[in-house]
Amino acid sequence: DAKTTQPPSMDCAEGRAANLPCNHSTISGNEYVYWYRQIHSQGPQYIIHGLKNNETNEMASLIITEDRKSSTLILPHATLRDTAVYYCIVRVAFAYTNAGKSTFGDGTTLTVKP
Amino acid sequence: GAVVSQHPSRVICKSGTSVKIECRSLDFQATTMFWYRQFPKQSLMLMATSNEGSKATYEQGVEKDKFLINHASLTLSTLTVTSAHPEDSSFYICSASKPGKNTEAFFGQGTRLTVV
Repeated sequence: DAKTTQPPSMDCAEGRAANLPCNHSTISGNEYVYWYRQIHSQGPQYIIHGLKNNETNEMASLIITEDRKSSTLILPHATLRDTAVYYCIVRVAFAYTNAGKSTFGDGTTLTVKP
Repeated sequence: GAVVSQHPSRVICKSGTSVKIECRSLDFQATTMFWYRQFPKQSLMLMATSNEGSKATYEQGVEKDKFLINHASLTLSTLTVTSAHPEDSSFYICSASKPGKNTEAFFGQGTRLTVV
């Protein structure tokens, strides 16, 4: 799996958009970008994933650069409950049996402030 | 959506005893589950892959005789920490995924183990 680099921490004002960057310059053509978050003392929660096109769901948007060497997770209207550690993970398109296997980096601690 | 549940969520045990942690997939069958360990202020580290009906696969540096994994059914994997010591105190998390390609992983809520 490709290595990812994320800033260790970020702050965001409540109600504003939170933009979390991730660098994955060694990503291969068959590797996807996944984002998870972990709220304190809980298991990680899936947010979104993509290959090369931008993706959006009810939680967030994922913007992947054209060269796929970096991506940005966007939480459009951050709330206090979005305070968590956000992990960017790059991995190949496993068959489902191995989808639970991920290499976690240090992630970005996002603090949403009132 | 799919749910993976762990039990117990928190356990305290005496040094030298064994502790069993259960991981269940509640609305899907999981032929493979994964066990992670997370120390305070650190990221998740993969410990082992639990395979239904066969032996688990352990990551380098993880003692298979200390962390016993049993995956006897398609919805249940158990992790037993044997002869626990204070240094085994950690947050243990399991994960699994639903059938399909490029699916996301679902994680249990985690088990906080404290060995005293």
